[in-house]
Amino acid sequence: GENVEQHPSTLSVQEGDSAVIKCTYSDSASNYFPWYKQELGKRPQLIIDIRSNVGEKKDQRIAVTLNKTAKHFSLHITETQPEDSAVYFCAASGGSARQLTFGSGTQLTVLP
Amino acid sequence: GAVVSQHPSWVICKSGTSVKIECRSLDFQATTMFWYRQFPKQSLMLMATSNEGSKATYEQGVEKDKFLINHASLTLSTLTVTSAHPEDSSFYICSWDRLLNTEAFFGQGTRLTVV
Repeated sequence: GENVEQHPSTLSVQEGDSAVIKCTYSDSASNYFPWYKQELGKRPQLIIDIRSNVGEKKDQRIAVTLNKTAKHFSLHITETQPEDSAVYFCAASGGSARQLTFGSGTQLTVLP
Repeated sequence: GAVVSQHPSWVICKSGTSVKIECRSLDFQATTMFWYRQFPKQSLMLMATSNEGSKATYEQGVEKDKFLINHASLTLSTLTVTSAHPEDSSFYICSWDRLLNTEAFFGQGTRLTVV
């Protein structure tokens, strides 16, 4: 089955700086790659997603890039703000597997 | 976006008792649902996949006789944790699968604490 690895596990940045979180996946049949923000005790919130026919997608301060050849994708958050502090998860699905396989998560802390 | 209602949002039960968690889709119908479990400071892990009208498929290491899934209709699925023990304490989240929409629709999650 699919295996998703996520790095780093913790990330601290100064307010206004950029944050980058990276994930790799194992199943070349995966074709959908969402990123979630999860606050303590709450459901994951979709912040951006990308499909395998696209290399990059941007939504205001958030962007995701996908390299299908290398099987990795990254989340980029620019101009970080304290309210961006949360746990971020990458995930992958596709092919015969419609369920999501999640990465291990990144605790992002934005220091004011 | 689609509305999914999961309850209870939190529950505390005694060891050895059973707990039922409900997950409803309020504005759409779907045949497939996924149940995930999340231990503190860990990722979401798929427990089982349920399809309306058929038996659920459980992931390796998940006891089917302990985690009973009843997918009664296209809008309702329940997860019953039977004979709960403290190690079952976790955050349980349902997710409906809409075939024509890749995005997952999560319930609010249920925080189960077994004492």
